[in-house]
Amino acid sequence: AQSVTQLGSHVSVSEGALVLLRCNYSSSVPPYLFWYVQYPNQGLQLLLKYTTGATLVKGINGFEAEFKKSETSFHLTKPSAHMSDAAEYFCAVTTGTASKLTFGTGTRLQVTL
Amino acid sequence: ETGVTQSPTHLIKTRGQQVTLRCSSQSGHNTVSWYQQALGQGPQFIFQYYREEENGRGNFPPRFSGLQFPNYSSELNVNALELDDSALYLCASSLDVSPGSGSEAFFGQGTRLTVV
Repeated sequence: AQSVTQLGSHVSVSEGALVLLRCNYSSSVPPYLFWYVQYPNQGLQLLLKYTTGATLVKGINGFEAEFKKSETSFHLTKPSAHMSDAAEYFCAVTTGTASKLTFGTGTRLQVTL
Repeated sequence: ETGVTQSPTHLIKTRGQQVTLRCSSQSGHNTVSWYQQALGQGPQFIFQYYREEENGRGNFPPRFSGLQFPNYSSELNVNALELDDSALYLCASSLDVSPGSGSEAFFGQGTRLTVV
């Protein structure tokens, strides 16, 4: 069985500040890890994914995440927040098909002027 | 290339009724997964269909059932609706070379179901 824990249900940053959203996973086998973003009244959009290979993964909109097996973490970062980044972010894990995902409870990112 | 489309976008039903939600896969995709997202929660996996066969099910009761058609579109049916079934229902499609082979899932906008 696998699970995901997202630390912090709400994160607020100033525009231009570093964004750090935390995700820790539990899996008995090597995981595939994902970050999705959800804007109000929308579906989920894939930001980035880790399957195998390079542990630093770059995604869309300037986001990146680093897979750290020793810490069972996959934190999402962006060097400089933009107002348009305000949304709900979900970390997800799977150990099999990428379309059978186990999601965390989400982190709402607020960006202030 | 069309994306994943779901219908209807919003729906209000009475407790005890039955509902059918529909999903059109992204062009060329053969796998459809359904998720339930309650307010303030992450999506929960309901089940998946690969080439018209169920390929895995989450922790949902049998009154949640599904179907995938030869064109790979899909339906989610929920019988005997309960108040707790109120949620956003998300459909995701992917192109899998074999069941469980894994590939990126593309999500639709969801159907917001309210049970009163």
